[in-house]
Order: sequence, then C-alpha cells, then structure tokens
Amino acid sequence: GAVVSQHPSWVICKSGTSVKIECRSLDFQATTMFWYRQFPKQSLMLMATSNEGSKATYEQGVEKDKFLINHASLTLSTLTVTSAHPEDSSFYICSAPAGGRAKNIQYFGAGTRLSVL
Amino acid sequence: AQKITQTQPGMFVQEKEAVTLDCTYDTSDPSYGLFWYKQPSSGEMIFLIYQGSYDQQNATEGRYSLNFQKARKSANLVISASQLGDSAMYFCAMREISAGGTSYGKLTFGQGTILTVHP
Repeated sequence: GAVVSQHPSWVICKSGTSVKIECRSLDFQATTMFWYRQFPKQSLMLMATSNEGSKATYEQGVEKDKFLINHASLTLSTLTVTSAHPEDSSFYICSAPAGGRAKNIQYFGAGTRLSVL
Repeated sequence: AQKITQTQPGMFVQEKEAVTLDCTYDTSDPSYGLFWYKQPSSGEMIFLIYQGSYDQQNATEGRYSLNFQKARKSANLVISASQLGDSAMYFCAMREISAGGTSYGKLTFGQGTILTVHP
C-alpha cells in the first residue's frame, strides 16, 4: 500500500512551547490529509482536514489557533500545537487517501506521541 | 449523520481459531465505503480490508474477510487461523462518498475492539 511518513514519532516538551508534526506522502500525491487525535484505548477523533493550497477545515470544538495546519505541497502537511499544555498530551496521527477514485483507501502515518510537561 | 458501532470492547480467541469482530453502521447515503484497520500497541493504523457499498461480493484479503450484510447494515470482520501477532485493537470505519463522486471524505470510526489471541 501507499506510504505515509510521520515525524517525530515521540516528543516531550515543556508547557508553553510549540511542537510541529510533519506528515508526508512518500509515493503519491495527497491534496487532502486528515489529522486525528487519540486518547489511550479510545477511538480516533478527527481534528481537521488539511487541503493543499487552501485553509484547513476544522471539526467542531477544535481550536484553529491552537492547532495550526499547513498543507503547502502535495506531499506535506504539518500540524503545529501552539503553546502546548499538559492537556494537549495525546497521540496524534495523520492520514492521506490514495488508491484512485473508487476506493481512496486512507493510509496512516505511524503517529506522534506528545507529552507536555 | 453516519455512525459506526462496535459492541465488543474486548474479544479473546485461541491461536489458530477463527474470530468474528462485529461492526454495524448507519448512514442515509447510498454510496459508502467500509474499512477495517488494525492498531497494534505501537500505535500505527494498518489498513486491512475495504468493502464498497455496491460491491456484489464480500471482500477478502488473505486471512481477513468481511461479512457484508447490507440489509442489516453490518460489516463484520472475520479473521481465520488467528495468530499471536493478531493481538491488537481493531477499528471499523466508514466513509461516505459525496454526491459528486469524489471519495476524499473523512472516515468515521467505531469505538474499537481489543482482540487478544491466546497461545
């Protein structure tokens, strides 16, 4: 299947700092990427839809100024958690659809575990 | 609005046995796609199998098969010959296909089922 690379896989930061997470589609172009958040033993919650060349679409309740999304190219989307606080500690995972119009299987990155001290 | 329900928080199976993970869905759209993903403890989401709403046959991928019953709105995953490495969390997900025919819609996930395979 298609490959989506996500970095970093794990980050620890101090409260108040900003953290950038990168999501790359390695062998296909992705005009759309999705960003999810997941708490332990829970389901994935969609945070936002990242659109190449335009503004991201955020789900209800997700702070746009807190979670900045940039999709500057067809292979790269970034999520920046600004002024991170302990409650932002979570598992963040991105995905991108690939495989052609009919299926558009969503392939996921390996995820980023964020711990804010 | 679409909804996915996985009613089994946890399942146990003996190695080499088959196991069925349940998934029911609700949507008013005639066109949709159903997916199953595996999430081991490492966190990565591994795509297992896909079923389109108009597909005539049940999808199969190696040891994975999808028991698609459209009238009952169920899409159960069957894993045959379970292996210890199958122990993981499994998610059922659905994507509606827009009226324009594009398939870039977001996924809606179920709550997940933790599968434990015993030796």
